[in-house]
Amino acid sequence: DGGITQSPKYLFRKEGQNVTLSCEQNLNHDAMYWYRQDPGQGLRLIYYSQIVNDFQKGDIAEGYSVSREKKESFPLTVTSAQKNPTAFYLCASRRWGDSNQPQHFGDGTRLSIL
Amino acid sequence: GESVGLHLPTLSVQEGDNSIINCAYSNSASDYFIWYKQESGKGPQFIIDIRSNMDKRQGQRVTVLLNKTVKHLSLQIAATQPGDSAVYFCAENGGSNYKLTFGKGTLLTVNP
Repeated sequence: DGGITQSPKYLFRKEGQNVTLSCEQNLNHDAMYWYRQDPGQGLRLIYYSQIVNDFQKGDIAEGYSVSREKKESFPLTVTSAQKNPTAFYLCASRRWGDSNQPQHFGDGTRLSIL
Repeated sequence: GESVGLHLPTLSVQEGDNSIINCAYSNSASDYFIWYKQESGKGPQFIIDIRSNMDKRQGQRVTVLLNKTVKHLSLQIAATQPGDSAVYFCAENGGSNYKLTFGKGTLLTVNP
């Protein structure tokens, strides 16, 4: 089945540690996105990528990094510089070229601090 | 600043009733709107979308209404079922080709 796979489902980070969240899609979508979701708040955009080897900062990029070496994959690294990383992280993708297309989401990774 | 918001944070309905979830937006440049459903521990699931050249669009048991005059969006769910219990988000593009702005969500609870 086509879809977006995020792994792991749960992740724990120690102080000073970088952790990487995986996002893979087999929808042949060009654009991919990372969002952070906190309780009682809407989704906030961390990074997005329109094409391979290109990505842009979203609204809350500080403390995060991404790469886009393959069309199917858009991993997110939460660095030690992110002082409040506990959140639910969501990856999304959509076709590019037409702004009137919905983003489709994976089932998220919940990151907690040890 | 521009924002997307919801009038009611929670909504409780009886099974079989119709549900209406509301959303206000303030960015007049928005020309594309989406409703998502999010169940606990899962990612948002696309329900229905609407472009600004329309004022109504229907899907299976759902209808989205868009009132551009007052910048208001609503999602109507007919014959609400227990499986409809979830958080519902609206999102708007603010005229952007790449970015969506999400509301905070309304928690819908369906009582059997």
